Amino acid sequence: EAGVVQSPRYKIIEKKQPVAFWCNPISGHNTLYWYRQNLGQGPELLIRYENEEAVDDSQLPKDRFSAERLKGVDSTLKIQPAELGDSAVYLCASSSPSGANVLTFGAGSRLTVL
Amino acid sequence: GQQLNQSPQSMFIQEGEDVSMNCTSSSIFNTWLWYKQDPGEGPVLLIALYKAGELTSNGRLTAQFGITRKDSFLNISASIPSDVGIYFCAGQYGNNRLAFGKGNQVVVIP
Repeated sequence: EAGVVQSPRYKIIEKKQPVAFWCNPISGHNTLYWYRQNLGQGPELLIRYENEEAVDDSQLPKDRFSAERLKGVDSTLKIQPAELGDSAVYLCASSSPSGANVLTFGAGSRLTVL
Repeated sequence: GQQLNQSPQSMFIQEGEDVSMNCTSSSIFNTWLWYKQDPGEGPVLLIALYKAGELTSNGRLTAQFGITRKDSFLNISASIPSDVGIYFCAGQYGNNRLAFGKGNQVVVIP
């Protein structure tokens, strides 16, 4: 069984540029999460989807961050425009209806903003 | 958000030794999870705890859900080099939210 797939693995951009990350969750996992992990810190939730509905986006900086999960499967997270402080690893995770607290994470997308 | 405290930040242990780490909070959690993260990878679930007082083992790993629901510990017995990594505790609260600690870096010296 394929795990949570994320791309790109690494992205280097200049500030004020846009960037997008893609995530394909585990097949059958209806809940999808985007987390941000700063260096030396634990992951922090940005947004949680139940199928195509964003049920928890209170910690998403909506002025520059957006996310979508149009068909309830894969998802994209966009930052526009990027700032220096956005440099971090963006982790996608998914969970199944029967295992709501057991998140399976992808390998992450490491963003460096110059 | 909920704060989870993990200390110490780094631990250097001799191969074969046991190591314990704990996670504390002033908040109550419904579920405790322990994850391990290797460099360049996402966190991988080690153990999940669902009831106060629960003690669960997974191979050389043992974890407990504190009676007060405000803490949890993880023990690794007979450490081996591949135990190197960052260990995160996470607590589930409220509307299925997870809060993560800052992690414990474990270094195993051969």
